[in-house]
Amino acid sequence: DTGVSQNPRHKITKRGQNVTFRCDPISEHNRLYWYRQTLGQGPEFLTYFQNEAQLEKSRLLSDRFSAERPKGSFSTLEIQRTEQGDSAMYLCASSLALTDTQYFGPGTRLTVL
Amino acid sequence: AQSVAQPEDQVNVAEGNPLTVKCTYSVSGNPYLFWYVQYPNRGLQFLLKYITGDNLVKGSYGFEAEFNKSQTSFHLKKPSALVSDSALYFCAVREGVSGTYKYIFGTGTRLKVLA
Repeated sequence: DTGVSQNPRHKITKRGQNVTFRCDPISEHNRLYWYRQTLGQGPEFLTYFQNEAQLEKSRLLSDRFSAERPKGSFSTLEIQRTEQGDSAMYLCASSLALTDTQYFGPGTRLTVL
Repeated sequence: AQSVAQPEDQVNVAEGNPLTVKCTYSVSGNPYLFWYVQYPNRGLQFLLKYITGDNLVKGSYGFEAEFNKSQTSFHLKKPSALVSDSALYFCAVREGVSGTYKYIFGTGTRLKVLA
């Protein structure tokens, strides 16, 4: 299967711990996006990359959040000093620069106790 | 600032009847508009998009959407609903000219098709 994959699918952590999520986009896609989705809401934009460059970040992405895409392929999203309000589904999507059609992964569900 | 509104949390329709899921938007420039569907325990799937051209856009699974610039709307439609269309539908927009790739999603509309 050549779709977008995300790992882990579920993460339970204690408040104050750091967590890191990984996203593997469709191989030829040069754009990669991170979103956060809470119950009853649509996906909220966090950040996006074109190749390895992080081109835009939402104000939602506080200084506890950092994202990287070191070689323009997979990406990681790290949350430091997690808070209960960080509990959500974290979605990754990828697209080709010319098409504007995003393909989403299954998401990583984070629960902060 | 960009925004998207989906005024209905849920839409119920009988199988075989036409369905409409509403979406209105606000952007400062030309809108790029999208519909995605989310089935339980599955990721969001692309249905269709409007970038430019014909106001009536056809997409996957028999869905279509009509771009109405004067009413700033992009309603999703299907002539004959199937039970398998029951899912959560999201409208999304980005401002096309400024170069931003920040997509704004609506809060979603749950479609229930009744047999």
